[in-house]
Amino acid sequence: ILNVEQSPQSLHVQEGDSTNFTCSFPSSNFYALHWYRWETAKSPEALFVMTLNGDEKKKGRISATLNTKEGYSYLYIKGSQPEDSATYLCALRAPSGSARQLTFGSGTQLTVLP
Amino acid sequence: DAGVIQSPRHEVTEMGQEVTLRCKPISGHDYLFWYRQTMMRGLELLIYFNNNVPIDDSGMPEDRFSAKMPNASFSTLKIQPSEPRDSAVYFCASSPAGAIQYFGAGTRLSVL
Repeated sequence: ILNVEQSPQSLHVQEGDSTNFTCSFPSSNFYALHWYRWETAKSPEALFVMTLNGDEKKKGRISATLNTKEGYSYLYIKGSQPEDSATYLCALRAPSGSARQLTFGSGTQLTVLP
Repeated sequence: DAGVIQSPRHEVTEMGQEVTLRCKPISGHDYLFWYRQTMMRGLELLIYFNNNVPIDDSGMPEDRFSAKMPNASFSTLKIQPSEPRDSAVYFCASSPAGAIQYFGAGTRLSVL
């Protein structure tokens, strides 16, 4: 069983603040890391797929970094807006043969207060 | 493409009844995944298919759960008999070559 941990579990920030949160995973069992954004009453939506150590991805005000040697990824949101309120999930894909399944963390629930 | 389509969106049933959840993946995607989301366990993989063939069903909780994919455009997840502890949101996702997964809107199941 792969252990994918996210912290913090929940976070409240003021509109305009920048914020970040962490996804930790076993560095010995890495193939790819996915970040998803999950708004309430909707379905998870992919943000990034990261595969290389040192990868940095950016989509608008959201960016992510990856350190496969130490087993963590950070997600950053610059200048948070109320519409950024969602649960942010990371998911690990392990290099086990032809397996394509993802192991999801429990998510960081972000609330941006106007 | 309309995305991954799941039906029904909501299902309320009584304990002991059979429940069938349906999923239409995105055309051309060769992987299909069934997940269950609960407060206690988060998002957990139940089973996934590659080219309509079940690859890993180790996440299926027990024999009451079964899944089929008779063709590339349709999959079902069946619970028979259903129990109150099966109440959850069930998501289907599809993926091209096992890359990014695209999720359906989910089916919220309530077993009374």
